[in-house]
Amino acid sequence: QKEVEQNSGPLSVPEGAIASLNCTYSDRGSQSFFWYRQYSGKSPELIMFIYSNGDKEDGRFTAQLNKASQYVSLLIRDSQPSDSATYLCAVDPSEYGNKLVFGAGTILRVKS
Amino acid sequence: GAGVSQSPSNKVTEKGKDVELRCDPISGHTALYWYRQSLGQGLEFLIYFQGNSAPDKSGLPSDRFSAERTGGSVSTLTIQRTQQEDSAVYLCASSAGGGRDAFFGQGTRLTVV
Repeated sequence: QKEVEQNSGPLSVPEGAIASLNCTYSDRGSQSFFWYRQYSGKSPELIMFIYSNGDKEDGRFTAQLNKASQYVSLLIRDSQPSDSATYLCAVDPSEYGNKLVFGAGTILRVKS
Repeated sequence: GAGVSQSPSNKVTEKGKDVELRCDPISGHTALYWYRQSLGQGLEFLIYFQGNSAPDKSGLPSDRFSAERTGGSVSTLTIQRTQQEDSAVYLCASSAGGGRDAFFGQGTRLTVV
Protein backbone atom coordinates (compact mmCIF):
# COMPACT_ATOMS: atom_id res chain seq x y z
CA GLN A 1 0.00 0.00 0.00
CA LYS A 2 1.31 3.41 -0.98
CA GLU A 3 1.77 5.83 1.91
CA VAL A 4 -0.26 8.58 0.23
CA GLU A 5 -2.83 7.81 -2.43
CA GLN A 6 -4.68 10.06 -4.80
CA ASN A 7 -6.89 9.41 -7.79
CA SER A 8 -4.83 10.44 -10.80
CA GLY A 9 -7.87 11.80 -12.66
CA PRO A 10 -8.35 13.78 -14.70
CA LEU A 11 -11.21 15.24 -12.73
CA SER A 12 -13.29 17.44 -14.99
CA VAL A 13 -15.69 20.02 -13.60
CA PRO A 14 -17.59 22.86 -15.24
CA GLU A 15 -16.68 26.43 -14.43
CA GLY A 16 -18.40 27.60 -11.27
CA ALA A 17 -18.81 24.12 -9.82
CA ILE A 18 -17.20 22.68 -6.69
CA ALA A 19 -14.16 20.51 -7.31
CA SER A 20 -13.49 17.84 -4.68
CA LEU A 21 -10.04 16.30 -4.46
CA ASN A 22 -9.33 13.43 -2.12
CA CYS A 23 -6.27 11.88 -0.54
CA THR A 24 -5.83 8.91 1.78
CA TYR A 25 -2.77 8.08 3.85
CA SER A 26 -1.56 4.98 5.60
CA ASP A 27 0.25 6.26 8.71
CA ARG A 28 -2.33 6.84 11.43
CA GLY A 29 0.18 8.90 13.41
CA SER A 30 0.55 11.54 10.69
CA GLN A 31 0.30 15.05 12.03
CA SER A 32 0.63 17.52 9.15
CA PHE A 33 -1.13 17.63 5.82
CA PHE A 34 -0.52 19.84 2.84
CA TRP A 35 -2.04 20.57 -0.54
CA TYR A 36 0.17 21.77 -3.39
CA ARG A 37 -0.84 22.98 -6.82
CA GLN A 38 1.37 22.39 -9.83
CA TYR A 39 0.74 24.06 -13.14
CA SER A 40 2.13 22.37 -16.22
CA GLY A 41 5.84 23.09 -16.53
CA LYS A 42 6.02 24.77 -13.14
CA SER A 43 7.10 23.74 -9.65
CA PRO A 44 4.59 22.78 -6.96
CA GLU A 45 3.38 25.63 -4.76
CA LEU A 46 1.72 25.31 -1.37
CA ILE A 47 -1.92 26.35 -1.26
CA MET A 48 -3.22 24.89 2.02
CA PHE A 49 -2.09 23.11 5.14
CA ILE A 50 -4.13 21.54 7.92
CA TYR A 51 -3.13 19.99 11.22
CA SER A 52 -6.42 19.43 13.09
CA ASN A 53 -9.53 17.43 12.36
CA GLY A 54 -12.28 19.36 10.68
CA ASP A 55 -12.38 22.05 8.04
CA LYS A 56 -10.05 24.89 7.26
CA GLU A 57 -11.15 27.57 4.83
CA ASP A 58 -9.03 30.01 2.84
CA GLY A 59 -10.90 31.95 0.20
CA ARG A 60 -12.35 29.52 -2.34
CA PHE A 61 -10.35 26.64 -0.87
CA THR A 62 -11.39 24.38 2.01
CA ALA A 63 -9.22 21.61 3.37
CA GLN A 64 -10.95 18.84 5.30
CA LEU A 65 -9.17 16.39 7.58
CA ASN A 66 -10.53 13.21 9.10
CA LYS A 67 -7.79 11.44 11.03
CA ALA A 68 -10.03 8.57 12.11
CA SER A 69 -10.71 7.70 8.47
CA GLN A 70 -7.23 8.75 7.35
CA TYR A 71 -8.26 11.03 4.58
CA VAL A 72 -7.77 14.64 3.70
CA SER A 73 -9.64 16.48 0.99
CA LEU A 74 -9.51 19.78 -0.82
CA LEU A 75 -12.64 21.55 -2.00
CA ILE A 76 -12.43 24.32 -4.56
CA ARG A 77 -15.58 26.41 -4.75
CA ASP A 78 -16.59 28.41 -7.83
CA SER A 79 -13.95 26.59 -9.88
CA GLN A 80 -12.23 28.66 -12.56
CA PRO A 81 -10.32 27.57 -15.67
CA SER A 82 -7.21 28.98 -13.95
CA ASP A 83 -7.62 26.29 -11.29
CA SER A 84 -6.77 23.66 -13.91
CA ALA A 85 -3.60 22.05 -12.61
CA THR A 86 -2.30 18.99 -10.82
CA TYR A 87 -3.03 18.95 -7.10
CA LEU A 88 -0.58 17.13 -4.86
CA CYS A 89 -1.34 15.92 -1.37
CA ALA A 90 1.59 15.72 1.04
CA VAL A 91 1.67 14.11 4.46
CA ASP A 92 4.17 14.16 7.30
CA PRO A 93 4.15 10.53 8.53
CA SER A 94 5.31 10.21 12.09
CA GLU A 95 7.60 7.29 11.33
CA TYR A 96 9.70 8.87 8.62
CA GLY A 97 11.65 11.49 10.52
CA ASN A 98 9.36 14.28 9.43
CA LYS A 99 9.97 13.66 5.76
CA LEU A 100 7.04 14.86 3.69
CA VAL A 101 5.57 12.13 1.51
CA PHE A 102 3.76 13.21 -1.64
CA GLY A 103 0.94 11.54 -3.48
CA ALA A 104 1.12 11.21 -7.25
CA GLY A 105 -1.34 14.04 -7.75
CA THR A 106 -4.80 14.55 -9.25
CA ILE A 107 -5.21 16.39 -12.54
CA LEU A 108 -8.06 18.89 -12.38
CA ARG A 109 -9.60 20.35 -15.51
CA VAL A 110 -12.10 23.16 -15.22
CA LYS A 111 -14.05 23.65 -18.42
CA SER A 112 -15.55 27.01 -19.35
CA GLY B 1 17.98 34.52 -1.23
CA ALA B 2 14.27 34.65 -0.59
CA GLY B 3 13.48 31.31 -2.18
CA VAL B 4 15.02 27.99 -3.16
CA SER B 5 17.45 28.48 -5.99
CA GLN B 6 18.52 25.75 -8.40
CA SER B 7 21.16 25.81 -11.08
CA PRO B 8 21.43 25.35 -13.93
CA SER B 9 17.85 25.85 -15.13
CA ASN B 10 18.49 23.65 -18.12
CA LYS B 11 21.20 21.13 -18.82
CA VAL B 12 21.78 19.17 -21.99
CA THR B 13 24.42 16.49 -21.73
CA GLU B 14 25.68 13.60 -23.76
CA LYS B 15 24.97 10.07 -22.68
CA GLY B 16 27.75 8.78 -20.45
CA LYS B 17 28.78 12.17 -19.10
CA ASP B 18 28.54 13.16 -15.43
CA VAL B 19 26.37 16.08 -14.33
CA GLU B 20 26.06 18.10 -11.14
CA LEU B 21 22.89 19.89 -10.13
CA ARG B 22 22.96 22.52 -7.42
CA CYS B 23 20.39 23.60 -4.87
CA ASP B 24 20.56 26.62 -2.56
CA PRO B 25 17.82 26.21 0.07
CA ILE B 26 16.04 28.94 1.96
CA SER B 27 18.34 30.28 4.66
CA GLY B 28 17.79 28.53 7.97
CA HIS B 29 15.88 25.59 6.52
CA THR B 30 17.19 22.39 8.03
CA ALA B 31 15.42 19.97 5.71
CA LEU B 32 16.22 19.55 2.03
CA TYR B 33 14.65 17.22 -0.53
CA TRP B 34 15.50 16.18 -4.06
CA TYR B 35 12.75 14.91 -6.35
CA ARG B 36 12.64 13.86 -9.97
CA GLN B 37 9.68 14.44 -12.24
CA SER B 38 9.44 12.93 -15.68
CA LEU B 39 7.09 14.47 -18.25
CA GLY B 40 3.49 14.06 -17.16
CA GLN B 41 4.43 12.06 -14.08
CA GLY B 42 4.28 12.63 -10.33
CA LEU B 43 7.11 13.52 -8.00
CA GLU B 44 9.65 10.76 -7.49
CA PHE B 45 11.44 11.08 -4.16
CA LEU B 46 15.23 10.78 -4.41
CA ILE B 47 16.90 11.85 -1.17
CA TYR B 48 16.16 13.76 2.05
CA PHE B 49 18.53 15.65 4.32
CA GLN B 50 17.51 16.72 7.82
CA GLY B 51 19.98 18.68 9.90
CA ASN B 52 23.01 16.61 10.85
CA SER B 53 21.19 13.29 10.58
CA ALA B 54 22.24 10.68 8.05
CA PRO B 55 20.40 11.37 4.80
CA ASP B 56 17.51 9.20 3.68
CA LYS B 57 18.79 7.86 0.36
CA SER B 58 16.01 5.33 -0.11
CA GLY B 59 14.76 6.95 -3.33
CA LEU B 60 17.99 7.04 -5.29
CA PRO B 61 17.35 4.84 -8.37
CA SER B 62 20.89 3.52 -8.80
CA ASP B 63 24.43 3.92 -7.55
CA ARG B 64 25.04 6.40 -10.36
CA PHE B 65 23.11 8.91 -8.27
CA SER B 66 24.58 10.59 -5.22
CA ALA B 67 24.01 13.79 -3.28
CA GLU B 68 25.71 15.74 -0.60
CA ARG B 69 24.86 18.71 1.50
CA THR B 70 27.73 20.85 2.69
CA GLY B 71 27.55 22.81 5.92
CA GLY B 72 23.87 22.08 6.24
CA SER B 73 23.10 24.43 3.37
CA VAL B 74 23.91 24.00 -0.33
CA SER B 75 23.27 20.59 -1.84
CA THR B 76 24.64 18.99 -4.98
CA LEU B 77 23.02 16.08 -6.79
CA THR B 78 25.48 14.19 -8.98
CA ILE B 79 24.52 11.78 -11.72
CA GLN B 80 27.37 9.73 -13.13
CA ARG B 81 27.43 8.14 -16.58
CA THR B 82 24.10 9.67 -17.50
CA GLN B 83 21.55 7.63 -19.42
CA GLN B 84 18.65 8.81 -21.57
CA GLU B 85 16.17 7.63 -18.94
CA ASP B 86 17.71 10.17 -16.55
CA SER B 87 16.11 12.95 -18.60
CA ALA B 88 13.63 14.70 -16.32
CA VAL B 89 13.09 17.80 -14.23
CA TYR B 90 15.00 17.61 -10.96
CA LEU B 91 13.31 19.56 -8.19
CA CYS B 92 14.80 20.63 -4.90
CA ALA B 93 12.71 21.69 -1.91
CA SER B 94 13.58 22.94 1.55
CA SER B 95 11.67 23.10 4.78
CA ALA B 96 12.10 24.41 8.28
CA GLY B 97 11.73 20.78 9.31
CA GLY B 98 9.57 19.21 11.96
CA GLY B 99 6.75 18.48 9.56
CA ARG B 100 6.63 21.98 8.19
CA ASP B 101 5.68 22.70 4.60
CA ALA B 102 8.32 22.53 1.89
CA PHE B 103 9.14 25.19 -0.68
CA PHE B 104 10.29 24.21 -4.15
CA GLY B 105 12.90 25.62 -6.45
CA GLN B 106 12.20 26.18 -10.12
CA GLY B 107 13.87 22.91 -11.05
CA THR B 108 16.63 21.82 -13.40
CA ARG B 109 15.51 20.32 -16.69
CA LEU B 110 18.03 17.65 -17.62
CA THR B 111 18.12 16.30 -21.15
CA VAL B 112 20.45 13.42 -21.97
CA VAL B 113 21.10 13.05 -25.70
